[in-house]
Amino acid sequence: EPEVTQTPSHQVTQMGQEVILRCVPISNHLYFYWYRQILGQKVEFLVSFYNNEISEKSEIFDDQFSVERPDGSNFTLKIRSTKLEDSAMYFCASSVREQYFGPGTRLTVT
Amino acid sequence: GIQVEQSPPDLILQEGANSTLRCNFSDSVNNLQWFHQNPWGQLINLFYIPSGTKQNGRLSATTVATERYSLLYISSSQTTDSGVYFCASRGSGANNLFFGTGTRLTVIP
Repeated sequence: EPEVTQTPSHQVTQMGQEVILRCVPISNHLYFYWYRQILGQKVEFLVSFYNNEISEKSEIFDDQFSVERPDGSNFTLKIRSTKLEDSAMYFCASSVREQYFGPGTRLTVT
Repeated sequence: GIQVEQSPPDLILQEGANSTLRCNFSDSVNNLQWFHQNPWGQLINLFYIPSGTKQNGRLSATTVATERYSLLYISSSQTTDSGVYFCASRGSGANNLFFGTGTRLTVIP
């Protein structure tokens, strides 16, 4: 069964560093998403991407975040200058109708 | 965006017991989904249920879109059912999902 994959599974970085989180959505899906979940809290929407551009973004998705689909399969989330409060689990998802989530990348900012 | 309330927030069950989890929505329900977050943090799709009733083994779900709620039934619970259950719905005119705060289920042997 096709699935969304994410790398790395865990990323530790120092405050102020740039990180890139990578995702491979399900191949015939059209919509791609990034969500995050701070430990013990609910899952929050960051951004959605369709037809090679951002279709929606939340208040969380400020100028330090960017997304890209550099080729036909990968979908990336870049955080330019990480802060302590960016520590969270980041989920990629893709959909035609129902959304399927990847296993997540646990980002720890020290 | 849409507000999603889940109840109860925590639930402890003896193995073999049945349970009902509930989601209430502040606005029209669109493309409602139920997820199980396992101890490793993975979000496992349980149901895509914008309306009506579906069953999958010991789990079933019902969404009454006109009354803005959904229910997840777990029968004959097992220890592997432990974890956090989330419901999520799209808002009006949006593709992204709005999640509830979850129900943490603990099944004890």
